[in-house]
Order: sequence, then C-alpha cells, then structure tokens
Amino acid sequence: AQKITQTQPGMFVQEKEAVTLDCTYDTSDPSYGLFWYKQPSSGEMIFLIYQGSYDQQNATEGRYSLNFQKARKSANLVISASQLGDSAMYFCAMREAEGSYIPTFGRGTSLIVHP
Amino acid sequence: DTGVSQDPRHKITKRGQNVTFRCDPISEHNRLYWYRQTLGQGPEFLTYFQNEAQLEKSRLLSDRFSAERPKGSFSTLEIQRTEQGDSAMYLCASSYPSGGSGRTDTDTQYFGPGTRLTVL
Repeated sequence: AQKITQTQPGMFVQEKEAVTLDCTYDTSDPSYGLFWYKQPSSGEMIFLIYQGSYDQQNATEGRYSLNFQKARKSANLVISASQLGDSAMYFCAMREAEGSYIPTFGRGTSLIVHP
Repeated sequence: DTGVSQDPRHKITKRGQNVTFRCDPISEHNRLYWYRQTLGQGPEFLTYFQNEAQLEKSRLLSDRFSAERPKGSFSTLEIQRTEQGDSAMYLCASSYPSGGSGRTDTDTQYFGPGTRLTVL
C-alpha cells in the first residue's frame, strides 16, 4: 500500500498567488516525521520544511507552510506569493520512528508558476 | 559550507559495463543514503549507512548493486553488468541524527545533485 499519496500530478498558479500541494500519508506509528522537498529541473532535491507528528503547531519556513491535519493524515504544502523560480517538482516524504530507516516519498507534483 | 557532492554528474555507458559512483556527505553527517529516481517517480530507497555500517538494503536491489562506506565518510555505489533498466538518476543524501542516535523520524536528509546514468 502507498504510504505517501500525492494526487495532483500537475498544478498551475499565477505569479504572486498562493498554491496548496496535497499530500496524504498512511502510518500506524504514533511518531513520524513529514518532509517536503523541491526538485528543480537541475535534479537536486532541496529540503523545504519538516513537520513532526507531535508538533503542536503547523511548521512554517518563509513562504512555505505546512497545513498538518493529523486526524485526516494530511500534510499539505502551502506556498504563498508564488515566484517563477518555484516552478519545480515537489515531493512529500515520511519517516517513521519505530519502523525501518526507509524514508518513503510520494510520486511528486509538478508546479508551474506563470507570469 | 559544502553540501553533499556526487561524482560524476553524468555517466553514459554501454550495457554490460560496470560503473561506480561516489558520494561525499556533509562532513558531520554520519548517516548516508542512496536512492534511485526514474522519470515521473519519487526517489526509491536503495541502501542506508550509519557510519561505516550498512544497516538497510532494499529488497529491490539486485546482486549487481553494491555500496560501501569504508571509513564512514564518502560512499561508493557500484553497478556491475549494467542493463538498460538501470538508466536513472542516482541520488545520495546525508543526515545527522538530530533526535538522538536511535531515532530516524526527525532526520532531515540533504541531497546531492545526483548522478544521471544512461545505459546504451
């Protein structure tokens, strides 16, 4: 079964607008971490933001915020004030505390920001 | 401050040849990971080291793949008798056990630029 699901293969957003990229996950481990990465066309995976399962508040890093809804098992990435340089693939990932060391990645969402 | 580096960035080889990739992690990171990524997919885990010990290896990894991290610093990934299906981006990542030596859920992995392998 898929542990990480990203249902949006592609998203378009106007420059300066906000966009939400969806991520749902599946785990029975009470302790886990959720991560978002950006992968531009150059190929390098860039860490964006981390949310721990026990964190009381939603994580924020600059223009990135994570809409963490634990009961729904969703961890959506919100990018505010989109910029042309935000055009890239975005991957959601999860690591469990009690399980194996293997991090699980979703299939990604392609974001295109147009002027 | 140097991030994770990988060498080479691109490799073109003929089917049946052996190839070796190198990864240099961030210096204070004792955990190192190898992934493979094909077009339209997320990174697929291959193997994981903590210091020099290889702690986990994907069941998807055939015997043609081997990885080493002899001194707990840089790592090499070798593919023997390459096949066209091995064509992919090979990513290396490193992390530091921020949550304590036994925890992995808080680990943030930092990735290198990848090595793109093309098998003709």
